[in-house]
Amino acid sequence: DVKVTQSSRYLVKRTGEKVFLECVQDMDHENMFWYRQDPGLGLRLIYFSYDVKMKEKGDIPEGYSVSREKKERFSLILESASTNQTSMYLCATTHNTGRGYGYTFGSGTRLTVV
Amino acid sequence: DQQVKQNSPSLSVQEGRISILNCDYTNSMFDYFLWYKKYPAEGPTFLISISSIKDKNEDGRFTVFLNKSAKHLSLHIVPSQPGDSAVYFCAASDTGANSKLTFGKGITLSVRP
Repeated sequence: DVKVTQSSRYLVKRTGEKVFLECVQDMDHENMFWYRQDPGLGLRLIYFSYDVKMKEKGDIPEGYSVSREKKERFSLILESASTNQTSMYLCATTHNTGRGYGYTFGSGTRLTVV
Repeated sequence: DQQVKQNSPSLSVQEGRISILNCDYTNSMFDYFLWYKKYPAEGPTFLISISSIKDKNEDGRFTVFLNKSAKHLSLHIVPSQPGDSAVYFCAASDTGANSKLTFGKGITLSVRP
């Protein structure tokens, strides 16, 4: 089974802090994604990467950046955390599930910015 | 502009009955569609997918139907079980199966024992 590990389940940070959210996948997949989930808004794509050193903006990249130095690791960076970035953050990688292509998500990081 | 719409925020169904979850989309370039299930405090899990070249895909209790002319898809769960109670997200891609997805807002399914 594909495993996607997000380093923290819960985080509390102060406004203005620099925040790193880490994601590691164990199957040598090229494609990795960061989404945030908010009530009533569903999942929205922040950034994605199709290879090492490569990154593409998603639908809501403002206030975020990413780093992909190794294939298995995709980091999301909040340069200066703000309260409107309080959310559930989800990392994912795509692969053939055997029942069609789909994402495997990590368990999520619930970030609260105070 | 929301390209994937799940217009009903919630659905309640009796155990053993059929659950029908609907999803509409506006982007005619979407060619791959997926359904995900999410429990609280967990990441979404992949349920079932369908390519635009098909109109039906079945996997156990789950069947997804695609009506391209109406830009509509639906997920049928038969029979519904209490463990199916979760949030269900519809998602679509316009760049193939292995690419970025656009998600709907989700629908909360409650299956009553």
